[in-house]
Formats: sequence, C-alpha cells, structure tokens
Amino acid sequence: QITLKESGPTLVKPTQTLTLTCTFSGFSLSTSGVGVGWIRQPPGKALEWLALIYWDDDKRYSPSLKSRLTITKDTSKNQVVLTMTNMDPVDTATYYCAHRGPLLPLGGYFDYWGQGTLVTVSS
Amino acid sequence: EIVLTQSPGTLSLSPGERATLSCRASQSVSSSYLAWYQQKPGQAPRLLIYGASSRATGIPDRFSGSGSGTDFTLTISRLEPEDFAVYYCQQYGSSGYTFGQGTKLEIK
Repeated sequence: QITLKESGPTLVKPTQTLTLTCTFSGFSLSTSGVGVGWIRQPPGKALEWLALIYWDDDKRYSPSLKSRLTITKDTSKNQVVLTMTNMDPVDTATYYCAHRGPLLPLGGYFDYWGQGTLVTVSS
Repeated sequence: EIVLTQSPGTLSLSPGERATLSCRASQSVSSSYLAWYQQKPGQAPRLLIYGASSRATGIPDRFSGSGSGTDFTLTISRLEPEDFAVYYCQQYGSSGYTFGQGTKLEIK
C-alpha cells in the first residue's frame, strides 16, 4: 500500500525559502523507474507541476520555476524534500507530492498522491 | 513546453447523461504519456486514465479515454452523482509534465 504525506510550514513570509518534506511508504525510491514529484494548486486554480526526482537521482524542474527550486531525496528515510526560494504571495497554494511509476510501457502519470499541504505566503 | 487546453471550462449535465471532455495539446503528445485525473473539493487528484485509454485500478468502466496526437477525449458514458467534479488532463514530455486548466463537470 503506497502512501505519501507532505509536511512543512503552513505560513511563510515573502522572500523566505519554503522547505517541504514528502514522507512515503509502500515503495522504494531506489527501484528502477520510480520517481516522486511535487505539484501545487493555488486556491480555486489548476494543478501545476513543479519538480520530480528519479530513482537514479536525476532531477527535472518546471522550466518557469527552475531557478527557484531544488529537489533532493533521502532514500534511507523514504523522504523527498523540495525547497523553493524567494516566496511570494502568488505562491500560496496546496502543495502535493505524488508517486510516479516506471515510464514503460505506459507511464508519465502520478498514481498515488499525498493529501496536500496548504502553504500561505503573507507578511 | 507543451500547453494543454481543456474544453469546455464548465459542463452542465444531469445524472444519466453522457459527458465528453476535450484536451487539446499545442504540439503532438505521445499517447503513452497522456493521463486524466478527477478531483473533488478538498481532495487530492485521483488517477482515472493513463496511456490515453487505459483505466487505472478500480476505475469504473463508464470512464473511457481516447485520442492521439494533439486531441484527446475523456468520456463518461452515464453520469453518476459522484462523477460531478473537476477533471484534468496531463502529459509527460521532454520538458517535463504539464496539466490542463481543468473542466468542471457540474449538475444541471
């Protein structure tokens, strides 16, 4: 049974750095083809993919946010950490982490999601 | 970056009716990497369809996906009360992952 859970601050100030942790169980991030991604959703708006880290430590970032994002993993702790610098009120959103299974034969989707954590950016 | 445009923005239908949701890509998408999700208020998205037409585990057969290239469709054959929600398409490509802006399926 795969589960994921996000944790981190619920409130950050503008210009601060946000650090979110995804703690997961039911799979290993050392298994070939597996990845864990971060997706966010501003209130009342659409989903936006942010970053993804693969089993082999390869990393991918949203082109529009790449300069502000860093994703890392701790395989021994079953955790993935996302940092986002220079936070702004427009970054207020629910942040989700999600499991991405192997790419082949049919892949590139997120089949298990955490419950999400709402982060508000305000002074 | 591939942009996914979903239409309509809002679809008003009654239970028992057929729903057809569209997802159009700004450039060709591999069918292997096109997925659909359902999201209800206060909940995380739920995977419905992957590989453009394969149903995820536990998804009822009234949900079906089709399409290729730049045009994809999610069809719900007979709407049940629990199907009223927001639906998103998503693709994976060389520049990463993108989601559509969503279609809200509401009760008429």
